[in-house]
Amino acid sequence: EIVMTQSPATLSLSLGERATLSCRASQSVGNNLAWYQQKPGQAPRLLIFGASTRATDIPARFSGSGSGTEFTLTISRLQSEDFAVYYCQQYKNRPPGSFGQGTKLDI
Amino acid sequence: QVELEQSGAEVKKPGSSVKVSCKAPGGKFSGYGMNWVRQAPGQGLEWIGGIIPVFGAAEYAQDFQGRVTITADESTKTVYMELSSLRSEDTAVYYCARGRGPVVYWSFDLWGRGTLVTVSS
Repeated sequence: EIVMTQSPATLSLSLGERATLSCRASQSVGNNLAWYQQKPGQAPRLLIFGASTRATDIPARFSGSGSGTEFTLTISRLQSEDFAVYYCQQYKNRPPGSFGQGTKLDI
Repeated sequence: QVELEQSGAEVKKPGSSVKVSCKAPGGKFSGYGMNWVRQAPGQGLEWIGGIIPVFGAAEYAQDFQGRVTITADESTKTVYMELSSLRSEDTAVYYCARGRGPVVYWSFDLWGRGTLVTVSS
């Protein structure tokens, strides 16, 4: 089972600041890593797949990096609509062990 | 905007079954992995299983083996998830999610709005 660990659990930042969210895998997942954004009462939305490729219609301020076991989601200049919960997901191996526990980005 | 249309909220008794549907009226369906992911109240995301409709064979997470059945109807572009022997811990929002290609478990680029299933006596 691959365990995905996200840090921090909560990140408190201000508008215009840069956000850096981390995701660590317990074993290598190559670049088979996705990031999702979830707002209250909504379904998750795919932001990044293949560790660094932005999904359709995702703004350029969102970027992903990393490979193997260490991954980062960066939001360059926070806008009000960016405050949400972010999940990473490995899809190298079938679950158990797929999504991280989430990072809540607070204003 | 393509959407996945899910069936409405359900309230079930412990020990019973629930069947949730997900329709993809205007979008890619048959050759794509159609998956189910659930989220308990205040919790994270948990993959249940999925199916590629054109192939028909479903795949399930270990934790749900023997209790879940996922099927697809290509003619109506609808996928179904039936969960049996319900217990209170199954109370969650159940999401339908489409994979980015012809693999069951992949990254998911399109999600339904979710179906709340409440298990209570």
